[in-house]
Amino acid sequence: AQKITQTQPGMFVQEKEAVTLDCTYDTSDPSYGLFWYKQPSSGEMIFLIYQGSYDQQNATEGRYSLNFQKARKSANLVISASQLGDSAMYFCAMRPFFDQGGKLIFGQGTELSVKP
Amino acid sequence: DAGVTQSPTHLIKTRGQQVTLRCSPKSGHDTVSWYQQALGQGPQFIFQYYEEEERQRGNFPDRFSGHQFPNYSSELNVNALLLGDSALYLCASSSGGGFGYTFGSGTRLTVV
Repeated sequence: AQKITQTQPGMFVQEKEAVTLDCTYDTSDPSYGLFWYKQPSSGEMIFLIYQGSYDQQNATEGRYSLNFQKARKSANLVISASQLGDSAMYFCAMRPFFDQGGKLIFGQGTELSVKP
Repeated sequence: DAGVTQSPTHLIKTRGQQVTLRCSPKSGHDTVSWYQQALGQGPQFIFQYYEEEERQRGNFPDRFSGHQFPNYSSELNVNALLLGDSALYLCASSSGGGFGYTFGSGTRLTVV
C-alpha cells in the first residue's frame, strides 16, 4: 500500500530558528516523486519543494531543503530562519512515477506555529 | 498569469441535494485533478481528467462524477449529498503527465 505518514500534528518554532517537519512514506514502486506543500488558512496548496527518488542530491529551494533518506523512506522538510509567515499547515505528498493517472497521496499534515 | 480558479468559494447545501463545483485550470495546463479535504485531514484524490476523459479515480462512490470541457475547465458533481461530504474541495491542474501541480484555493462545501 502507498502511504504517507506525518507523525507531528503540531509544531512550534521560535522566529529565526530552523525547524524540521517529519515525513515517512511507503511504496513498492521503484520510482516516485516526493512533494511538500504549504496550506495557509486561505486553503490554497502552495508548492514548496520536490525530490525525485533517483535524485542524488537533496533538493533545496531558498529557505526550504528536503532531507531525503531513501533507505529509511523518509523525506523531512527543513525550514531555515523561520518567519511569522511560515505559520501554516504543511503536507508531504508522493506520486509514483508509474501511476499514469498522476494522483498525489498526501499525509495528514503538520501545523507549524512560528512564535515571535 | 492566472492560476487555478475555483467557484464558488463557499457553498451550503442540504442533505440529499446535488452540487456542482467548477474549476478553471492554469493557463497552459490540460489536466485537472480533484481532491476532497475533510477538516483536519490531508487531501484525498477523487479523480483526474485529461482530454475530456476520466483518467484515474480514487476510492469515491459513483455519487461523485465529473466532466472536462474542450477548454480544459472541469466540473465536479456530487449527488445525494451526505453530511460527510462536508469538506474543502481542491482542484489541481497540471500539464499532461508532468509533476508541476498548481492548486486552487478550493470550494468549502457544508452539508446541513
